[in-house]
Order: sequence, then structure tokens, then C-alpha cells
Amino acid sequence: SQKIEQNSEALNIQEGKTATLTCNYTNYSPAYLQWYRQDPGRGPVFLLLIRENEKEKRKERLKVTFDTTLKQSLFHITASQPADSATYLCALSDDGVYPNFGNEKLTFGTGTRLTIIP
Amino acid sequence: NAGVTQTPKFQVLKTGQSMTLQCAQDMNHEYMSWYRQDPGMGLRLIHYSVGAGITDQGEVPNGYNVSRSTTEDFPLRLLSAAPSQTSVYFCASSQLRSGELFFGEGSRLTVL
Repeated sequence: SQKIEQNSEALNIQEGKTATLTCNYTNYSPAYLQWYRQDPGRGPVFLLLIRENEKEKRKERLKVTFDTTLKQSLFHITASQPADSATYLCALSDDGVYPNFGNEKLTFGTGTRLTIIP
Repeated sequence: NAGVTQTPKFQVLKTGQSMTLQCAQDMNHEYMSWYRQDPGMGLRLIHYSVGAGITDQGEVPNGYNVSRSTTEDFPLRLLSAAPSQTSVYFCASSQLRSGELFFGEGSRLTVL
């Protein structure tokens, strides 16, 4: 069966260190993978998208890697700050879905709750 | 620019009652979708639409109906609420082929 797993439910990181979150998937052939941030009581907010033919993407202090051989994406936050504390969700789109405009049937992981400790 | 607006934010229903969760977006997005979020389950796709007059089922469509008569609106109807439908519901929209979903703030539904 298809499955998306995020490495841990909760992760505590000291301020200033790099936080690394993992997203593993099985039985998918994703066209792309996305990362979202969700604060308590709020809707998810888009952070980054990486396509299957891209190895790495960066945005300010954020970096995402995508290894289709390992079926894994890593999400890094460098120089972490207490304001980075939130739940981070990975999501992917299976390119086996027709018609695939790129958005429909986006499947989400259960998320990792990241806490940056001052 | 309001983005994606969901109403109501909170609702309590009794088993068997019906209701509609409203979703509106002002970004002229073709794609709209409904997800439910439950503890330990992640976000699960209920229904989606790639344009006015076009809807399709997601992973967990049973017990829910949708329609898309305009580009802006995508209401989610519960015809006969069940306790298993207690959840937080999120509406999301995007431009086709863009990948980035814009979410509303959620509607928390409790079915007694």
C-alpha cells in the first residue's frame, strides 16, 4: 500500500542549530514533493516544492533535497529560531494519476512537530 | 486580498443533521479541494475540482457532496452527519500546474 512517513512526531532542536526533517514514501512515483508549515489552529502554509528531476532547492534558510532512488526527502532549517517552531508537513503528487495537472490528489504525511529551544 | 475563506470556523451538529461548509477564494484559482485533518491521520483529500462544473472524489469521499457552480465557491455538504465526521476541515485552492496550495484557516466540526 502507499505510505508517506515523516521521521518522528516531535523534534527538539537548540536555537542556532540546523533542524533536519525526513519524509519517506513507498509505492509512489511522485512528480514532485512539497513541504508545508502548520501552526496550531491554522491552515498549512506552502514553503517549498521540488520536482522529481531536481536534487535540491533552497529558499533563504530552508533547503529541501529529493532522492527518488532512496524515496526520501530531507527538509533542513539552518540557523534555527524559536519562531521556526511549528508542525511541518510533506506532501506529494503521484504522477500516475490522470489527468495530472500537478495539483490533484496531493497526499500528506502526518507531520513532524518541531520545537526550537532558546 | 482575503485568499481562501472558510465558514463557519466552529460547528456542533447532532447525528443525522445536515450542513454545508462554505469555501470561497478570490484568487481566480481553477483548482479547489477539501481535506479533513484528524490526529495521527494527516490531511486526507475528500473531494476536488479542476474548474467550474467539474468535481471528483478524493481518498475519503463517502458522506460528503460537493458542487462547483462558480470559480470562486466550493461548498462541502454533509447530508447526514455522523460522529466519524468529527474533524477539522480545510479548503485549499491553487492555479492549475502551479503545485502550491493555499489553505483556509479551517472549520472545526463536532458531531454528537
